[in-house]
Amino acid sequence: EAGVAQSPRYKIIEKRQSVAFWCNPISGHATLYWYQQILGQGPKLLIQFQNNGVVDDSQLPKDRFSAERLKGVDSTLKIQPAKLEDSAVYLCASSLDLDRGETQYFGPGTRLLVL
Amino acid sequence: GQNIDQPTEMTATEGAIVQINCTYQTSGFNGLFWYQQHAGEAPTFLSYNVLDGLEEKGRFSSFLSRSKGYSYLLLKELQMKDSASYLCAVKAAGNKLTFGGGTRVLVKP
Repeated sequence: EAGVAQSPRYKIIEKRQSVAFWCNPISGHATLYWYQQILGQGPKLLIQFQNNGVVDDSQLPKDRFSAERLKGVDSTLKIQPAKLEDSAVYLCASSLDLDRGETQYFGPGTRLLVL
Repeated sequence: GQNIDQPTEMTATEGAIVQINCTYQTSGFNGLFWYQQHAGEAPTFLSYNVLDGLEEKGRFSSFLSRSKGYSYLLLKELQMKDSASYLCAVKAAGNKLTFGGGTRVLVKP
């Protein structure tokens, strides 16, 4: 079974530039999550999709971050414009049904450095 | 809201046992996960507890007390490859996970 795919793996940009990350979840997983993980901290949920609908985006800085999941499969996360404090690893995860004890499966992450 | 606390760092010797505690305060508790994360890698699933008690999986065990808002992950017969961060994550309704800050475990020879 193929895992969660993410690209790019690394990205370096200057502040005020834009950047986009892509995620392809495990086939059949209805729930998709984007997390931000700053060095030395646990992952922080940015947005959660159920199929192509948003379930929770309460911690997404909507003035600069946006995300979409067209057709309920792939998803993109965009930052525009980027700030220095956005330097972090952006993790995508997918799951079947956590309420049945199914775990989230994480992709390898995109490491973003904003200069 | 949710509040999850775990120690920042722990050091132990190869072959020993280490216990990583996690305390949480949450509304709508619906289960607790433990993940392992090696430096520069994604988190990987270790265990899941939804009922009180101990779940054992080889060298790793996880315990939950819902009434006390407390869990621990027990790592036995420590190996060098167990050096990693261990993340406690609480599940609320709606398939949402909230992660603690992680505990970095350093295993020394």
